[in-house]
Amino acid sequence: SQTIHQWPATLVQPVGSPLSLECTVEGTSNPNLYWYRQAAGRGLQLLFYSVGIGQISSEVPQNLSASRPQDRQFILSSKKLLLSDSGFYLCAWSVLQTDTQYFGPGTRLTVL
Amino acid sequence: GENVEQHPSTLSVQEGDSAVIKCTYSDSASNYFPWYKQELGKRPQLIIDIRSNVGEKKDQRIAVTLNKTAKHFSLHITETQPEDSAVYFCAASMKKTSYDKVIFGPGTSLSVIP
Repeated sequence: SQTIHQWPATLVQPVGSPLSLECTVEGTSNPNLYWYRQAAGRGLQLLFYSVGIGQISSEVPQNLSASRPQDRQFILSSKKLLLSDSGFYLCAWSVLQTDTQYFGPGTRLTVL
Repeated sequence: GENVEQHPSTLSVQEGDSAVIKCTYSDSASNYFPWYKQELGKRPQLIIDIRSNVGEKKDQRIAVTLNKTAKHFSLHITETQPEDSAVYFCAASMKKTSYDKVIFGPGTSLSVIP
């Protein structure tokens, strides 16, 4: 069966510091991968999606970037964090040809 | 444009009563409609989904209906229990060239009062 991992689970970072969040998927090949952000008490905002290694598309302009160095690895990065980057970051995957997205456990980021 | 509206934003029901959450979508090309439940601090979990060629789907106490003409779909929870308390998100999926774009509604916070 497929599983999705995210780390770290929680992170507290100062403004202006760099960021690296990692997501890995097991049990499937060539998944579609997604990064979402959820502000406190709010909905899900799609940040990036990837249909393959090195293929990244951004949904909204922002302070963040994403990379997919391996088939089942998706990384979210920032060079300098802003206060507004605080939130719950969720990675998700879906199998090509189907629509269902499955979410990872998330990373709660607090920028102080 | 692509948009999913969801109502109500908050909902309180007595244990044992039914709960209904309604969503509308703007893009007539949408063909897949999942519902997710998110408990506090946890990840969203898929609870039920429906495709555009089906009008209704039921899974135990949960049912979803779809009206393609009106671009409406609804989640029905019967015999609610305290563990049903969570935030529920509807979504509408559209197929792009090589991936599935999912537009989420803003969520409904459901409280089931024992």
